[in-house]
Amino acid sequence: DGGITQSPKYLFRKEGQNVTLSCEQNLNHDAMYWYRQDPGQGLRLIYYSQIVNDFQKGDIAEGYSVSREKKESFPLTVTSAQKNPTAFYLCASAGAYEQYFGPGTRLTVT
Amino acid sequence: GQQLNQSPQSMFIQEGEDVSMNCTSSSIFNTWLWYKQDPGEGPVLLIALYKAGELTSNGRLTAQFGITRKDSFLNISASIPSDVGIYFCAGKVQGAQKLVFGQGTRLTINP
Repeated sequence: DGGITQSPKYLFRKEGQNVTLSCEQNLNHDAMYWYRQDPGQGLRLIYYSQIVNDFQKGDIAEGYSVSREKKESFPLTVTSAQKNPTAFYLCASAGAYEQYFGPGTRLTVT
Repeated sequence: GQQLNQSPQSMFIQEGEDVSMNCTSSSIFNTWLWYKQDPGEGPVLLIALYKAGELTSNGRLTAQFGITRKDSFLNISASIPSDVGIYFCAGKVQGAQKLVFGQGTRLTINP
């Protein structure tokens, strides 16, 4: 079954802790993306990667880090430097023209 | 970052009514995409448009790639309760690595 998986669906962390969100795709897409969505808001790009071992900052990269060691995987680490980490995080992958999203991970930091 | 101007921001309609929403940009796009997002879920791709003037349907949904390549429209006919959600447009310039997203249209349907 092809698609994008994100795990877990809900994640809770204490303030000051780093947390890593998982994103895996089996669509054989080269490009992968991480977005952040706040309540009632649109999508803001955090990081993206066009190819293995390469990635670029998006519009709101501060406080986040990523790696792209495998084509299928693009994990996002939310560091303690991120001031307002509580949000809904969406991973996406893209072929030549179309971009597809995963189901999202809701992160709550208290 | 650059954003598209999507309107309206919200719509409150009666079941059975038709719905229209649009996105405009100051840039020319080569691809327009329309997504629907249900609460707590990731956006789902509804329709993709690749050519100026193109009109594409997906069931009760119809989208058009504006002739100027700076706008796109989405119409939903005979709305039903499961159409409730947030609709996003997205555009892509040829050769660009990123999509540009609209802010979304929140659709609410009164039964």
